Amino acid sequence: DTEVTQTPKHLVMGMTNKKSLKCEQHMGHRAMYWYKQKAKKPPELMFVYSYEKLSINESVPSRFSPECPNSSLLNLHLHALQPEDSALYLCASSQEGWGTGRSYPFGQGTRLTVV
Amino acid sequence: SQQGEEDPQALSIQEGENATMNCSYKTSINNLQWYRQNSGRGLVHLILIRSNEREKHSGRLRVTLDTSKKSSSLLITASRAADTASYFCATGVEYGNKLVFGAGTILRVKS
Repeated sequence: DTEVTQTPKHLVMGMTNKKSLKCEQHMGHRAMYWYKQKAKKPPELMFVYSYEKLSINESVPSRFSPECPNSSLLNLHLHALQPEDSALYLCASSQEGWGTGRSYPFGQGTRLTVV
Repeated sequence: SQQGEEDPQALSIQEGENATMNCSYKTSINNLQWYRQNSGRGLVHLILIRSNEREKHSGRLRVTLDTSKKSSSLLITASRAADTASYFCATGVEYGNKLVFGAGTILRVKS
């Protein structure tokens, strides 16, 4: 299994809703990532978990709350989002980190629309 | 923060022609990777080149890296309509878990 699986593929939520995005990998990778990508822009790093601990938070607003319940699973909890948070949310994983010179798959993303 | 800058921003060619995309970056890197993205979906990894390598091939892809100029190029030979996509370079720094993406090149291959 060499895939990163993200669910759901599409999500529409109101500004008062609470929802969660899910990311799963079974490659034994110990680092997992959330990226946000706005239309016609490159992906931007949001969070990094390394060995199930949050190692990087790129000054992301608290309405985004990441969680890593175990080494295979990464969640992104969403609450009180704004329409400008509408974007493609991408998950990725890696063995130890990008600096090792290895490359790893990204998930297909969750297309989020906030109304 | 965005490390890599790519040019051109958009490229339109005929099927069978070669496509060249360039990427520049600002800081020391451990490796540079190229990704393809179709229609705003997931990123597909194409090729990785380490900082001590100068050129790498994979099928119709050729990547070069010039660390003295902090630049890389991706050449796609004999392009096909299916190569139509956005292409991003991304740099991995020596320490830490950051992979930083360039602005991307939108490639359109006309049949």
